[in-house]
Parts: sequence; C-alpha cells; structure tokens
Amino acid sequence: AQSVTQLGSHVSVSEGALVLLRCNYSSSVPPYLFWYVQYPNQGLQLLLKYTSAATLVKGINGFEAEFKKSETSFHLTKPSAHMRDAAEYFCAVSETNSGYALNFGKGTSLLVTP
Amino acid sequence: NAGVTQTPKFQVLKTGQSMTLQCAQDMNHEYMSWYRQDPGMGLRLIHYSVGAGITDQGEVPNGYNVSRSTTEDFPLRLLSAAPSQTSVYFCASSSPGRGHYEQYFGPGTRLTVT
Repeated sequence: AQSVTQLGSHVSVSEGALVLLRCNYSSSVPPYLFWYVQYPNQGLQLLLKYTSAATLVKGINGFEAEFKKSETSFHLTKPSAHMRDAAEYFCAVSETNSGYALNFGKGTSLLVTP
Repeated sequence: NAGVTQTPKFQVLKTGQSMTLQCAQDMNHEYMSWYRQDPGMGLRLIHYSVGAGITDQGEVPNGYNVSRSTTEDFPLRLLSAAPSQTSVYFCASSSPGRGHYEQYFGPGTRLTVT
C-alpha cells in the first residue's frame, strides 16, 4: 500500500521566513499526492495536488510543492510565512490511485512567530 | 453547494450507547469515506463506499457500521460506544470518474465517550 512520512511533527518559523514542510512517499506505482491544511477545530482543506502532470504544483495561499521521483519526495514550501499560516499540515497519497481513500501522514504543526 | 455536511458537531455518549453520525454531500460524488482523527495519528480510514449499495472496510472498522442507500448520504453507526472511540470523525467524498482524486472533507464531529 502507498504511504507517506512527514518529517517533523512540529516546525517553527519566523514571520516572513521560508516555510518548508517535508513529505516522503512510498509507492509501487506513480502516486497521486496531496497536501491538506487544517486550522484549529476545522475540517481539512486541500492546498494542492499532484496527479502526474507538472512536477511543480502551485496551490492556494502561496504554497507550492515539487514532486521529485528520484527522492520520492513531495515537500511543501512557501517563500514567506504569514501568521495566518499557523495550522496543521497533512501530506497524503491516494490509495492505489483509486480515489476512494487517502493514506495520510501524521501531520506537521506549523508555528509562525512574530 | 453546501459541499460535505456532518451532524452533529459535538456529541457525548456513555459507554455502551449507540448513535449515528450523519454525513451528506451535494456534489454528486460517487465515492464517500469515513475517517477518524486522533492526536499524532493523522487520519485513519474506517469505512468507505464507491457507490450506492457498495461499502467496504478500511483500516480501523471494528465497532462501526455503514450503509449507503443513496448517493448523497453515508451515515456511520456506532453500535456500542467505547472510550477508545473518543475521536474526531470526518466524512469525505471524491469523484475519480471526473478526475477528482482529492477528497472533500466535512467539518467533523467531535465525539467523547465516557
């Protein structure tokens, strides 16, 4: 089964600094990959997705991610952090690319300090 | 469109009680899924459905039942609540047939079992 590993359960950055959240995947087939954001006491919102098109994917709120097959990675970045980016971020892979479920990483909590 | 809706938002049960968590979507998505979210565990799949009348188990199905009589609704039943079922429950839908492998999430139900 496909799986993802998120490196770092907590990441802290200063406002205006680069945000880098790491995700590595394991898959026997070309994967479909996703990043979701969860604000406190809310549901999950899709940030961006990779489904075998362009390897550099742009999402909402200034986030982007690059699919690197050689490194089995799909890291999430944002050039300049804002206070409103503080949230929990989840990387996910589509189970066998079937679409019926996603396998999630354990999440990374992003703290943005003034 | 309301998207994916869930009721109730909060629920407290006593051990042994039963209840149904409701989920509905108005996007005509063929696939629907239930997840539970626990601290440090990410989201884990409970049950899923690929269409009306078709359901299957996910990673953590014990203690839960589902049925899907319509495209729109996918209720989750707790047969005899246990403290281990204290969690936040999310319903999601997707439409791979239309190229939407990402899942759209409801706002969640926070369940406490005492």
